[in-house]
Amino acid sequence: EDKVVQSPLSLVVHEGDTVTLNCSYEVTNFRSLLWYKQEKKAPTFLFMLTSSGIEKKSGRLSSILDKKELFSILNITATQTGDSAIYLCAVGTSSGGYQKVTFGTGTKLQVIP
Amino acid sequence: GAVVSQHPSWVICKSGTSVKIECRSLDFQATTMFWYRQFPKQSLMLMATSNEGSKATYEQGVEKDKFLINHASLTLSTLTVTSAHPEDSSFYICSANARTNQPQHFGDGTRLSIL
Repeated sequence: EDKVVQSPLSLVVHEGDTVTLNCSYEVTNFRSLLWYKQEKKAPTFLFMLTSSGIEKKSGRLSSILDKKELFSILNITATQTGDSAIYLCAVGTSSGGYQKVTFGTGTKLQVIP
Repeated sequence: GAVVSQHPSWVICKSGTSVKIECRSLDFQATTMFWYRQFPKQSLMLMATSNEGSKATYEQGVEKDKFLINHASLTLSTLTVTSAHPEDSSFYICSANARTNQPQHFGDGTRLSIL
């Protein structure tokens, strides 16, 4: 059974702090690792990672994948209250033409002024 | 780009009613659409994967006759919760991607409340 584990489950920080969210996985037929941000409604896409060691960056957010150690981190620098959300890590797999995405339980981030 | 629209946003209905939820890809053709269910404070659980023109593939434990999925075109998939009961109350979210191994883009979800 494919597994995606995120840590911490919940995190409270002050504005301006830097946070690192972790995602480890055990899956068969790995294709990609994805990060999503979920506020009140459905998740919004942040990053898709397929290669080890190549950092993806978007503003204050960045992410990197380690396919040898089977984990990824999502960094957020200079956090703002608008970063408060649940951050979901998901791993995409593919077998016999059938694609599937397994989600972790998420990390709930709360940024306080 | 990559907008997915889901309708309705919220449904409240009586037990025994069947409820249909629509998922549309607005600016791309979705070869595959996914249906998820999310309970409060839990992550998304994949219910089924549907490809246009073929039968949906259901995850283990998901009742096919209870959750009917139709993917009639490259831009529309529907989920019908048949004879819904209070335990079916949940947040249902669809997603779609244009090609295999491309990121899924999510609709805004449908909150279903069965009284």
